[in-house]
Amino acid sequence: EAGVAQSPRYKIIEKRQSVAFWCNPISGHATLYWYQQILGQGPKLLIQFQNNGVVDDSQLPKDRFSAERLKGVDSTLKIQPAKLEDSAVYLCASSLFQGPGGKNIQYFGAGTRLSVL
Amino acid sequence: DQQVKQNSPSLSVQEGRISILNCDYTNSMFDYFLWYKKYPAEGPTFLISISSIKDKNEDGRFTVFLNKSAKHLSLHIVPSQPGDSAVYFCATSNQAGTALIFGKGTTLSVSS
Repeated sequence: EAGVAQSPRYKIIEKRQSVAFWCNPISGHATLYWYQQILGQGPKLLIQFQNNGVVDDSQLPKDRFSAERLKGVDSTLKIQPAKLEDSAVYLCASSLFQGPGGKNIQYFGAGTRLSVL
Repeated sequence: DQQVKQNSPSLSVQEGRISILNCDYTNSMFDYFLWYKKYPAEGPTFLISISSIKDKNEDGRFTVFLNKSAKHLSLHIVPSQPGDSAVYFCATSNQAGTALIFGKGTTLSVSS
């Protein structure tokens, strides 16, 4: 079974530029998450999708970050304009939602390391 | 404020000995707990989990213990192997399908 695919693996941009990341979840996984991991910290949720609908985007800086999952499969995360503090690893994860009381095991991609200069 | 705390940034253990990684949480509503392992330049990999209705779960060399009254969980690795050297993240959620809340991680180094 193929895992979560992310691209690019690395990206270097200057502040105020825009950047986009792509994620393809595990086949059949309805729930998709984008996390931001700053150096020395644990991953922190940016946005969660259930199929093509947004479940939680309370921690997404909406003035500069946007995400979509139009067909309920792959997803893109965009930053425009980027700031120095956006330097981080952006992780995509997916899970097979099993309903209340079910296991919530999330499977992660390798991530995109973003450096904003 | 951190809802999930891993107070030891690093741990060094000799090969064959036991590794014990600890995690504390603040919200008694959390009902599902997981440990992830992360190697450099890779994404976190699921290791083991436990539901709040249990106090112990084993999978081979890995055992997770949950103490709900103390809001504390721990991961035991016995015996430790050099390949276990990685960053270990504790994570939790309050219902199936919600996003995970992670600790800052503990870097485990197992020397041969």
